[in-house]
Amino acid sequence: DIQMTQSPSSLSASVGDRVAITCRASQSISTYLNWYQQKRGKAPNLLIHATTTLQSGVPSRFSGSGSGTDFTLTITGLQPEDFATYYCQQSHSSPWTFGQGTKVEVK
Amino acid sequence: EVQLVESGGGLIQPGGSLRLSCAASEVSVSSNYMSWVRQAPGKGLEWVSLLYSGGRTDYADSVKGRFTISRDNSKNTLYLQMNSLRGEDTGVYYCVRVQEDYGDPRLYIDYWGQGTLVTVSS
Repeated sequence: DIQMTQSPSSLSASVGDRVAITCRASQSISTYLNWYQQKRGKAPNLLIHATTTLQSGVPSRFSGSGSGTDFTLTITGLQPEDFATYYCQQSHSSPWTFGQGTKVEVK
Repeated sequence: EVQLVESGGGLIQPGGSLRLSCAASEVSVSSNYMSWVRQAPGKGLEWVSLLYSGGRTDYADSVKGRFTISRDNSKNTLYLQMNSLRGEDTGVYYCVRVQEDYGDPRLYIDYWGQGTLVTVSS
């Protein structure tokens, strides 16, 4: 199985900050990498698919990059509604696997 | 607007069985890839099973042989039959639609239900 490792597991940030979350795959997954946001008590929400493609309706302050084994989700200009947990997920090989999550908290 | 509404969760004893349902609207379960993802309390997301539009199925090793994914096209409903339940199966189960953009094999989950809670405990 492909292991997905996110870092950090949590971070504290302020409104307006630039935040970067990394996701590392245990083997190459090309660009088969998706990012989701989950708020407390809610279902996850798709942010970015295929590493860099912003889902319709998602603000442009979210961006994704990477390929192979190393990926990054960047939030440029953190907003109050962005405090949440973020997950990466690979769809390169079965079983699909998620990272353990990164919780973005208020500093 | 696409809606996925799960039902069938509840408290069940270890070794028991439960069937989850996912009623879909504005999306056809027969012509889309559909999947189940679960989340243990306070934990991360875990993919459980996938049903391709052509009928092929796939399962996480942790549920293989115990869970069965299926659909009823006439009811536009997805199911997850869960047998031999264990404590580690406890969690919220989400029904999701898996999107495949034309000509692009990189699949992703674009719609999630609200989830149904399964608690396996004696």
